[in-house]
Amino acid sequence: AQSVTQLGSHVSVSEGALVLLRCNYSSSVPPYLFWYVQYPNQGLQLLLKYTSAATLVKGINGFEAEFKKSETSFHLTKPSAHMSDAAEYFCAVSGGNEKLTFGTGTRLTIIP
Amino acid sequence: DADVTQTPRNRITKTGKRIMLECSQTKGHDRMYWYRQDPGLGLRLIYYSFDVKDINKGEISDGYSVSRQAQAKFSLSLESAIPNQTALYFCATSAADSSYNEQFFGPGTRLTVL
Repeated sequence: AQSVTQLGSHVSVSEGALVLLRCNYSSSVPPYLFWYVQYPNQGLQLLLKYTSAATLVKGINGFEAEFKKSETSFHLTKPSAHMSDAAEYFCAVSGGNEKLTFGTGTRLTIIP
Repeated sequence: DADVTQTPRNRITKTGKRIMLECSQTKGHDRMYWYRQDPGLGLRLIYYSFDVKDINKGEISDGYSVSRQAQAKFSLSLESAIPNQTALYFCATSAADSSYNEQFFGPGTRLTVL
């Protein structure tokens, strides 16, 4: 069985501030982890993925995430928020059963 | 560009009507999926197919059916639509040889059932 918990359904940060979106996972096997972004009226786009290589994963648009097995976490960060980062972000886990399980999403708002 | 397309993009229908949502892909992927997205609930899997002859129920398949007409086409049907099926529906694909099941999403179909 696998599951994902995203803490905070809404997060607001000021432009230029640190972005931190939290994701904790549960998986009975070594997981593969993903962050997807959904811009308004669009589908989901892959930001980055952890596939058991480096624990610090860099993605598009300056985002990165660190896999921490001891904390069962895969939090998404960006050092400096930009207005264009406003979107909904989804964490997902694949635990070897060939299906993705998604979190409930975090809506990121950027304050000018 | 290899892509995942969905038709229609928006649909308004009435309770009891039969609706078909279509998905096509040019990625050459064997695996296809249908999800629905509801506010605060994330994406939930309705059906998935690993090849033309393989169809599997997801976590919320009641009230839905699917057809895999070809490797590139996967349709979702609502036999008798009801208002709580109002949602955003996504099709996704993945490669059979992907050990971590990275999925690629279409733009979505917004369905409203009155």
